[in-house]
Amino acid sequence: QLQLQESGPGLVKPSETLSLICTVAGGSISSNTYYWGWIRQPPGKGLEWIGSIYYTGTTYYNPSLKSRVTISVDKSKNQFSLRLNSMTAADTAVYYCARLGSITIFGAVIMNWFDPWGQGTLVTVSS
Amino acid sequence: QSALTQPASVSGSPGQSITISCTGTSSDVGGYNYVSWYQHHPGKAPKLMIYEVSNRPSGVSNRFSGSKSGNTASLTISGLQAEDEADYYCSSYTSSNTFVMFGGGTKLTVL
Repeated sequence: QLQLQESGPGLVKPSETLSLICTVAGGSISSNTYYWGWIRQPPGKGLEWIGSIYYTGTTYYNPSLKSRVTISVDKSKNQFSLRLNSMTAADTAVYYCARLGSITIFGAVIMNWFDPWGQGTLVTVSS
Repeated sequence: QSALTQPASVSGSPGQSITISCTGTSSDVGGYNYVSWYQHHPGKAPKLMIYEVSNRPSGVSNRFSGSKSGNTASLTISGLQAEDEADYYCSSYTSSNTFVMFGGGTKLTVL
């Protein structure tokens, strides 16, 4: 059974960089069928897609975060990572990682569904 | 780009059926059959309940069903049970450069 687990600091200072790791267990991150994604949920708000990565390193980012986000993959460790710089209070959220089912049609990647998800990790931005 | 529109809350009694709507545009919900629904119990991992509008993943109860009409997708839960009380989110592929959008979430209360 595929399981994902987020890890990283629970507290980040304003202007600093958040680094989170998602460890994939029970399956290979190098599957040519799936992408891998990060999603966040600010307190009391809805879900927001941050970005996704393929095992080859191909990435897609939410335009609203693109200038601050880097997602990378480490196939040897079966992990993928999120870096979000210039953190502010608005970035306080529960951060989730998930496997992304996708379809490619005429070269366009269709992001279809997220399953399974990790438990999520709360990241608070505060001095 | 605005999130997909869901009612903030719905409620129902055990055994009843409820429907949660998810309204978008022709660039997302209305234009593609890539709508999914997630159940989220606070503190736990969100769970995929419906994908591609109406398909249920293995292991999901057949009390959960999905449909779509125009720019609005719907999740129906029949035979409500106490364990169904959770937050529900819809999601859709979008042809905009956002790629995927989520709804604001609906809190289901089982009375």
